[in-house]
Amino acid sequence: GENVEQHPSTLSVQEGDSAVIKCTYSDSASNYFPWYKQELGKRPQLIIDIRSNVGEKKDQRIAVTLNKTAKHFSLHITETQPEDSAVYFCAAPLSYSGAGSYQLTFGKGTKLSVIP
Amino acid sequence: GAGVSQSPSNKVTEKGKDVELRCDPISGHTALYWYRQSLGQGLEFLIYFQGNSAPDKSGLPSDRFSAERTGGSVSTLTIQRTQQEDSAVYLCASSLEFGQGNKITQYFGPGTRLLVL
Repeated sequence: GENVEQHPSTLSVQEGDSAVIKCTYSDSASNYFPWYKQELGKRPQLIIDIRSNVGEKKDQRIAVTLNKTAKHFSLHITETQPEDSAVYFCAAPLSYSGAGSYQLTFGKGTKLSVIP
Repeated sequence: GAGVSQSPSNKVTEKGKDVELRCDPISGHTALYWYRQSLGQGLEFLIYFQGNSAPDKSGLPSDRFSAERTGGSVSTLTIQRTQQEDSAVYLCASSLEFGQGNKITQYFGPGTRLLVL
């Protein structure tokens, strides 16, 4: 079926190192890929997104790359800081309930721990 | 502008009682979504609305769960005869549209923390 797979489920890095989270999706027609950050006890919040007509997008220490051919996209966080510790969710619009109907579908999340 | 709001923020109830959770989406957002999140887990999709219509209710965990949306705005999620396994955070989200492209970006409310004793 249609799904979004996210890896790894947990990730621990030393402060200052980089973190990479990868997601794959199943629908080649998907054209929009947001990433959400959920801090403990808080709501998921959009941190960056990318459309299918670009391969990479950066915003300060975070970047997202997209490989449409392989149907995968990744979140890159450089110079990690303790405040980056959170659960990160990727998402992609997948076909839902019939042709032409799409719904943003979320990965299962990655718990990132940045060790000071 | 105002974001998605949910009420109550916390709800403690006794097993067997009914509860009603409310979601106020961002004004003008036609699509509304309900998720359930157990402690340390991911987002379990429950149901979505396009306008006032919920085309697919198969994500609801059991027939004790129901949801409605009126006037294309406020939505309520009702859980009847609550069970302890219903304890979780219930998140609501809304998006400008339903489908493809960045107009489907979902904006989440703060959630309702439900505890069934």
